Amino acid sequence: EPEVTQTPSHQVTQMGQEVILRCVPISNHLYFYWYRQILGQKVEFLVSFYNNEISEKSEIFDDQFSVERPDGSNFTLKIRSTKLEDSAMYFCASGGTSSSSETQYFGPGTRLLVL
Amino acid sequence: GESVGLHLPTLSVQEGDNSIINCAYSNSASDYFIWYKQESGKGPQFIIDIRSNMDKRQGQRVTVLLNKTVKHLSLQIAATQPGDSAVYFCAEKPGTYKYIFGTGTRLKVLA
Repeated sequence: EPEVTQTPSHQVTQMGQEVILRCVPISNHLYFYWYRQILGQKVEFLVSFYNNEISEKSEIFDDQFSVERPDGSNFTLKIRSTKLEDSAMYFCASGGTSSSSETQYFGPGTRLLVL
Repeated sequence: GESVGLHLPTLSVQEGDNSIINCAYSNSASDYFIWYKQESGKGPQFIIDIRSNMDKRQGQRVTVLLNKTVKHLSLQIAATQPGDSAVYFCAEKPGTYKYIFGTGTRLKVLA
């Protein structure tokens, strides 16, 4: 069964450094998402991406964040200058086909720790 | 919304009993809902979904009920098993490109 994959599984970085989190969505999906989950808290929407552009973003997704689909298969989240409060699990999700825009499936997540 | 922090509501059930997990959603414009199961250290796993034009949908051992009048969603798990122990989230879709997650309920299955 196809699944969303994410790399790396864990990332430790120094405050102020740039990180890139990578995702490979399910191949026939059209909609891509990034979420984060701070330890013990609920999953929070960051951004959605459709047709090679951002569809919607939350107030968390400020100028320090960017997303890209560089090669038609990978979907990346970049944090330009990490802050301590960026420490969280970051989940990529994909969903939607040409016949249905709903349903999304999550990857296993990347645990980001900012020191 | 504000986070619950480390203290999730917890439902403890005996193995073999039925479980009912509830969720109140926030946006009356939401037209699609998903229940997810999240095990420790893993990503949310899709369980079942329902559109707003339905009030009930059944899957294998799971049933989702939707009450739009009071903006309430429930997940029923029949014959709960130890492997069902996890945190369960509902998610609502108020627009085309966004999902909002609830705070989650921890289900503990007692042997």
